[in-house]
Amino acid sequence: KAGVTQTPRYLIKTRGQQVTLSCSPISGHRSVSWYQQTPGQGLQFLFEYFSETQRNKGNFPGRFSGRQFSNSRSEMNVSTLELGDSALYLCASSLTTGNEQFFGPGTRLTVL
Amino acid sequence: QQQVKQSPQSLIVQKGGISIINCAYENTAFDYFPWYQQFPGKGPALLIAIRPDVSEKKEGRFTISFNKSAKQFSLHIMDSQPGDSATYFCAAHHTGFQKLVFGTGTRLLVSP
Repeated sequence: KAGVTQTPRYLIKTRGQQVTLSCSPISGHRSVSWYQQTPGQGLQFLFEYFSETQRNKGNFPGRFSGRQFSNSRSEMNVSTLELGDSALYLCASSLTTGNEQFFGPGTRLTVL
Repeated sequence: QQQVKQSPQSLIVQKGGISIINCAYENTAFDYFPWYQQFPGKGPALLIAIRPDVSEKKEGRFTISFNKSAKQFSLHIMDSQPGDSATYFCAAHHTGFQKLVFGTGTRLLVSP
């Protein structure tokens, strides 16, 4: 079974731009969660989607948004990028409940 | 109450020794406790996990010990190998918010 895939793997953007990251979960997994990883804050929960519905959202500003498609693939969008948004963005998938989560390799976003 | 406290921050163990990483939590809404291993440039990989109705789980050289009354759990890596050198994260799954709350990570170095 293929693992979680994320594209692109690396991104460089400038302040004020917006970015869209993509995640394809493990086949059959219906829950997709997004996390931000930084050296200072560690791994922080962004949001979780199940059956195209956002079930939960972490403590991030509204510039961070996401969606899930009918095939369970998910995208997250960050608008009006700030320097502090530089991070590794990780997607994780699970079958349904979100406890046993499998992570993708992440997208490394650098904001200049 | 949604924090998971992890210690130590870093750990150096000789090859063949036992590595021990500890975590503590306060929120009783956590229902699942995984450990992740992360190598540089990679996403976290699920290593082993336990539910609160079990006091110990062993998979190969990796053992989780869980103390429900003390709200503590730990990872033991027996016969540590240089290939185990990585950052280890404990986590707790919040049943209400369907999210993982991560510890701050332990950087393990196993010296040859």
